[in-house]
Amino acid sequence: AQSVTQLGSHVSVSEGALVLLRCNYSSSVPPYLFWYVQYPNQGLQLLLKYTSAATLVKGINGFEAEFKKSETSFHLTKPSAHMSDAAEYFCAVSSNSGYSTLTFGKGTMLLVSP
Amino acid sequence: EADIYQTPRYLVIGTGKKITLECSQTMGHDKMYWYQQDPGMELHLIHYSYGVNSTEKGDLSSESTVSRIRTEHFPLTLESARPSHTSQYLCASSESGRATYEQYFGPGTRLTVT
Repeated sequence: AQSVTQLGSHVSVSEGALVLLRCNYSSSVPPYLFWYVQYPNQGLQLLLKYTSAATLVKGINGFEAEFKKSETSFHLTKPSAHMSDAAEYFCAVSSNSGYSTLTFGKGTMLLVSP
Repeated sequence: EADIYQTPRYLVIGTGKKITLECSQTMGHDKMYWYQQDPGMELHLIHYSYGVNSTEKGDLSSESTVSRIRTEHFPLTLESARPSHTSQYLCASSESGRATYEQYFGPGTRLTVT
């Protein structure tokens, strides 16, 4: 069974500050990991994904995430927050077995203040 | 931008009514999914399909039903709506094959049952 834990339902940063959104997973098989972003009244948009190639993954809008197997983590970072980054962020895990589906975390709302 | 559409975007309906939420994609994806999303909670998979005439129930028990008669169309039906069905419903699709393929999401339908 797979599970995803996102620490902190809300994270507040100032514009220009570092963004760090935490994601820990559990999976009985090597995982594939995804970060999605959801803006108000919209669906989810893929930010980046880890598929067992490079452990440091770069995504859209300046975001990146590092896969750390020893820590079972896949934290999302951005060096400098922008007001437009305010949204909800979801971490998800997919197994590589057969007909896999995604398991999502509860999401983290990122608040950016001027 | 992904070509996956959901209608209606918002629906307010009375208890006992039959409703169908529409989902269509123009990407030729074999896999399609329905998720239920409540505030502060993870997305819960309620139905998925791996192709025409293939449907499976997801992790979260749901009183809804789905059908997949055409590749591009994956409607969700509630025979008798109840207030407990009030939620946001998200449709998604992905290519078949490897689990590394990301899911593309529609904008969602926000359902309110009074």
